[in-house]
Amino acid sequence: GAGVSQSPRYKVTKRGQDVALRCDPISGHVSLYWYRQALGQGPEFLTYFNYEAQQDKSGLPNDRFSAERPEGSISTLTIQRTEQRDSAMYRCASSSIADEQFFGPGTRLTVL
Amino acid sequence: SQQGEEDPQALSIQEGENATMNCSYKTSINNLQWYRQNSGRGLVHLILIRSNEREKHSGRLRVTLDTSKKSSSLLITASRAADTASYFCATDAGRKLTFGTGTRLQVTL
Repeated sequence: GAGVSQSPRYKVTKRGQDVALRCDPISGHVSLYWYRQALGQGPEFLTYFNYEAQQDKSGLPNDRFSAERPEGSISTLTIQRTEQRDSAMYRCASSSIADEQFFGPGTRLTVL
Repeated sequence: SQQGEEDPQALSIQEGENATMNCSYKTSINNLQWYRQNSGRGLVHLILIRSNEREKHSGRLRVTLDTSKKSSSLLITASRAADTASYFCATDAGRKLTFGTGTRLQVTL
């Protein structure tokens, strides 16, 4: 596609439920990144992949968060047993070897 | 954690004036990228400057980088109302970006 796409755009869930957020990167982009952005703040890094390999997951807050990119294209960020503090905008970005990271529109997650 | 800090936090100017935003960071970097965000919407990539570059231009944007001072500046010339947004610097020290807290720019008619 022309840009990074994410789905769903909005997700409202109840505390304790699992959620899966999807990211479809720009075609041909090797690297895919997940960030989380709180209101009024800049995005914070969660994890990134080169192809299907997860290179760095140092930003994942705890073991309820996981991500995969099994075929080196689409990625899924999964949050298990959601908590209210997980509410945020989750942003995905992709890049080629040129280093510029292009962001998708984000998924706004609200945990009630 | 937020590595970069933008200065000022908020800036209000009139259309046609120039806007300058500064970014300071703490560790060595591979490159520094500037982004624009309108009202909590998507992040738009503006420009990337590598650690071995000192200045870069793109349209009405001019970015400088001083690695000895660990600082960068973004200059928007001849500002327009449509430039109203939050501007973030992001440092790349190993693929992952570390963002600053942003400068909120308001351009009035």
